[in-house]
Order: sequence, then C-alpha cells, then structure tokens
Amino acid sequence: ELQLVQSGVEVKKPGESLRISCKGSGYDFTNYWIGWVRQMPGKGLEWVGIIYPGDSDTRYSPSFQGQVTISADKSISTAYLQWSSLKASDTATYYCARHVGMRGVVLADYWGQGTLITVSS
Amino acid sequence: EIVLTQSPATLSVSPGDRATLSCRASQSVGGNLAWYQQKPGQAPRLLIYGVSSRATGIPARFSGSGSGTAFTLTISSLQSEDFAVYFCHQYDNWPQYTFGQGTKLEIK
Repeated sequence: ELQLVQSGVEVKKPGESLRISCKGSGYDFTNYWIGWVRQMPGKGLEWVGIIYPGDSDTRYSPSFQGQVTISADKSISTAYLQWSSLKASDTATYYCARHVGMRGVVLADYWGQGTLITVSS
Repeated sequence: EIVLTQSPATLSVSPGDRATLSCRASQSVGGNLAWYQQKPGQAPRLLIYGVSSRATGIPARFSGSGSGTAFTLTISSLQSEDFAVYFCHQYDNWPQYTFGQGTKLEIK
C-alpha cells in the first residue's frame, strides 16, 4: 500500500529552527517527485516546492524561495522541509505529496496526512 | 504567477441535485488543470487531472471540462459524502504551481 507518513505536530517559538519529515513507502521513492504544500488556518492551498529524490533536483515557488529548504534522503525514502528561523506567519499545516509526471509537468496524486506547525511566543 | 479564480465561494445544493463549480485562470494552462476535494481535517484528494480524466477510484458522477482559461467541475448527483471544499490547481507553470481559493459545497 502506498503511504506518505509525516512527522507529528510541532509547537515552536519565533526564531527557532525546525525540520519536518515525510516518509514514503509502497512505491519507488527515488523515481517520483515529492512536493510540499502549505495550508494556513482556514485558508487555501499554496504550493511550496518540490524535490526529485533520484538526483536531488529541487525547485521552489518564488513565494517560498529563501524561506524554506527542501531536501531528501533516498536511502531512507524520506523528504524534509526545514526552516532556519520560524515566524508566526509560518503557522500552518504542511502537506507532502507524491507527484507523477515528467520534470516541468508533475501532479500531486497521493498526499501525506499533514503536519501542523504552530509558531507562537 | 497564474491566478486561479473559483466561483462561487460557497455553493448550497440539495442531495441528489447537480453541482457545477467554476475555475478561471489568468492565462492559459493548456490541459494541465486538476481538481481536488478536501474534507475537514483531511488531506486533499485528487479527483480530476488533465482537465477531464478521473483519478483512480473516483466515481463517474464527477466530471471535468473546459480548456485554456475556463474550467468546470460537475458533480451529477450529489451524495452526502460529496459535501466538502473543492480546489482547482494548475500544474502548467513550473515551478510556480498555484491553486484556486476553493469552493465550499454545502448542503442546502
């Protein structure tokens, strides 16, 4: 069974660093893009960026470039989203999603359960 | 950035009736338009991709249509489990993919 299992709820203070994870199973993790999507409380979906674990090719939506870092460890089928200095405005649920397709045109077909991050002093 | 505008923001429909949701793009997205369903506390679920192709396991009452900049999701006979929020999504403009703001489908 294909699964994307994300790390648990996080409560952090502004300025702290954080890395959340997304572990894939039931498919060839190396050969599918993994993307991240943000959903702020009560709001819509925002595409953050994406990584191809096979060669670590990473792309960011301009809105998130420089704000987060996406990485992956294909040896343990896990992708990561990290912040070096959190802000209150980073409070949201973050979803990882497997993407199918060719570089440039890829579509999220399976999603993780989401990781809720709360940043508050 | 390609802006997707969904209408209406909220749609009230009775079970068994048809629902028609609209998504308009600020520029052409070719055939790279998808629809997702999201229920409270859950991750989005892929319904439609490539404008009109149903994802695996999606019932035939869900259909997508449109081209260029104007797209429609139709649910032919609403079931209780269909009341949710629906998002359109363009995956044409790499890597600046975007979503619409969502349409909430509620029971009338």
